[in-house]
Amino acid sequence: DQQVKQNSPSLSVQEGRISILNCDYTNSMFDYFLWYKKYPAEGPTFLISISSIKDKNEDGRFTVFLNKSAKHLSLHIVPSQPGDSAVYFCAASAHQAGTALIFGKGTTLSVSS
Amino acid sequence: NAGVTQTPKFRVLKTGQSMTLLCAQDMNHEYMYWYRQDPGMGLRLIHYSVGEGTTAKGEVPDGYNVSRLKKQNFLLGLESAAPSQTSVYFCASSSGQFGPQHFGDGTRLSIL
Repeated sequence: DQQVKQNSPSLSVQEGRISILNCDYTNSMFDYFLWYKKYPAEGPTFLISISSIKDKNEDGRFTVFLNKSAKHLSLHIVPSQPGDSAVYFCAASAHQAGTALIFGKGTTLSVSS
Repeated sequence: NAGVTQTPKFRVLKTGQSMTLLCAQDMNHEYMYWYRQDPGMGLRLIHYSVGEGTTAKGEVPDGYNVSRLKKQNFLLGLESAAPSQTSVYFCASSSGQFGPQHFGDGTRLSIL
């Protein structure tokens, strides 16, 4: 059973607009969440993270929002740029239980100019 | 500025052959990981290591073995390759158990 779900396999956005990538999780023990970006033929690169004690974390054009009651997090990219076109993975872990990172299946973002 | 280096980048094997994938990191990280990524799937953890001389099983360990004889290296072995092990393999390392992981560029392995 998938513990981390990214229900949208793909997302298309115009340059300059906002991209919103969503992630749902089922394990209430998860308390640390990360987003990774992956270009073809490269490994994933860390983008941004959030701890469960926060509901928002911002880094430049990237903001992650966490809604613990809904077990939902989202990544906002504003403004979107063509170079943001990549696969985005959501990942979660439970510090208390000592679990390793669990990854979602990824969402492919395409930003057109 | 190497970070995490994986060798080889590509390999084709026949069923039943064995091989070893090498991962090397130059960031003095304690934790190292091996993942596999299959089409339409996220990354799934095969094995990991929390320090030199230690290894532990991840989500999908069957058919694989690992060794961490040196802190900077983490080896992934396939003793008898099967077509189901055709995948892209990623190695990663991190300084702490829950810190961001740094990934290599992957090894694309095809087993015929």
